[in-house]
Amino acid sequence: KNEVEQSPQNLTAQEGEFITINCSYSVGISALHWLQQHPGGGIVSLFMLSSGKKKHGRLIATINIQEKHSSLHITASHPRDSAVYICAAHTGNQFYFGTGTSLTVIP
Amino acid sequence: DSGVTQTPKHLITATGQRVTLRCSPRSGDLSVYWYQQSLDQGLQFLIQYYNGEERAKGNILERFSAQQFPDLHSELNLSSLELGDSALYFCASTQSQAGVNTGELFFGEGSRLTVL
Repeated sequence: KNEVEQSPQNLTAQEGEFITINCSYSVGISALHWLQQHPGGGIVSLFMLSSGKKKHGRLIATINIQEKHSSLHITASHPRDSAVYICAAHTGNQFYFGTGTSLTVIP
Repeated sequence: DSGVTQTPKHLITATGQRVTLRCSPRSGDLSVYWYQQSLDQGLQFLIQYYNGEERAKGNILERFSAQQFPDLHSELNLSSLELGDSALYFCASTQSQAGVNTGELFFGEGSRLTVL
């Protein structure tokens, strides 16, 4: 059983659509990270959450600690948002990664 | 630019060989994490160093070792290389050590290792 489950695995959207990626985890966390990986391979940290909600531009991340669930939302999606999105549960001394959601936004 | 520097960017070597990957963290960051990303295993946490000391260990093989030097740069040593060690190796740095208030991670661009 994977400690972190992401859904969907693949997602295709039209430009402008609202997108949601879900992450469920089974471990106790000190923080939940959302990462973005572009086709070139580099990884960028989007959010680090331990409670509540964070917003950065068109991206919003929420976490429900009781339900052990986090969501990443992209409003008004754009082709440059096409990437793999990965959630990672940090327990304080271990990281558990989801398998990633591959997002393609079509113009 | 995250401020984290990894070298080399690409490395091709043969089975049985040994390689060293280097990571320079962002200025002021005391924690360095190493991760491996392979096609079949995805991202995996290998090891964390904080201010020169090992702080946490993940799925790091016994053939692999790491250290963090007084100037805070870190090296990941991979020995007796096997075909399955071919992967992207990332390091990330953060100010925080671990625990409740972990800091945001800043990733290097990765070192792509190919073992032939």
